[in-house]
Amino acid sequence: QKEVEQNSGPLSVPEGAIASLNCTYSDRGSQSFFWYRQYSGKSPELIMSIYSNGDKEDGRFTAQLNKASQYVSLLIRDSQPSDSATYLCAVPAQTGANNLFFGTGTRLTVIP
Amino acid sequence: GAGVSQSPRYKVAKRGQDVALRCDPISGHVSLFWYQQALGQGPEFLTYFQNEAQLDKSGLPSDRFFAERPEGSVSTLKIQRTQQEDSAVYLCASSLGTGSGNTIYFGEGSWLTVV
Repeated sequence: QKEVEQNSGPLSVPEGAIASLNCTYSDRGSQSFFWYRQYSGKSPELIMSIYSNGDKEDGRFTAQLNKASQYVSLLIRDSQPSDSATYLCAVPAQTGANNLFFGTGTRLTVIP
Repeated sequence: GAGVSQSPRYKVAKRGQDVALRCDPISGHVSLFWYQQALGQGPEFLTYFQNEAQLDKSGLPSDRFFAERPEGSVSTLKIQRTQQEDSAVYLCASSLGTGSGNTIYFGEGSWLTVV
């Protein structure tokens, strides 16, 4: 049984600061990792995917993967109030499949 | 349409009623998923279709839940004899292909409240 653990928060950061969201996973065989953003009352949307150890940057977002320690993190630089949402970490339920197993999500609030 | 479309958006059912939730995936998408999301939780997998074939229904919580995708496009999730614990958002998602590199796109969800 796969497990994906996230701190449910809420995490509050001031506008302009760096928000750091963390996720640990139980299956050492997991190869793909995804971060979804979900605004209140809306559907999840993919913001980052990462497959290799190290950092992957996309604009203000950086995903970091450490397979040895089994954690994946998401950094949001220059946080904006519009980044306030729940961030969901997900891994494929089976190797190679695109059915995802989600964590419970971390609620982020960016304070103006 | 451009995205995954779900209907109804909101449904209030009396305990014991049957409900049917519809999903219209992005045109041409092979994979279709149903997830259940309770308040404050992440989405939980219910079932997966590849075209019209239901390849995985391991997440369906009971035999009151049934899903179909008879022509490989539109899908319906049916819940019989609804119970209060069925109250949740039911999310449909689709992707173009079947591997882990394919982005999954979610619909806005059907919000079910059982009273």
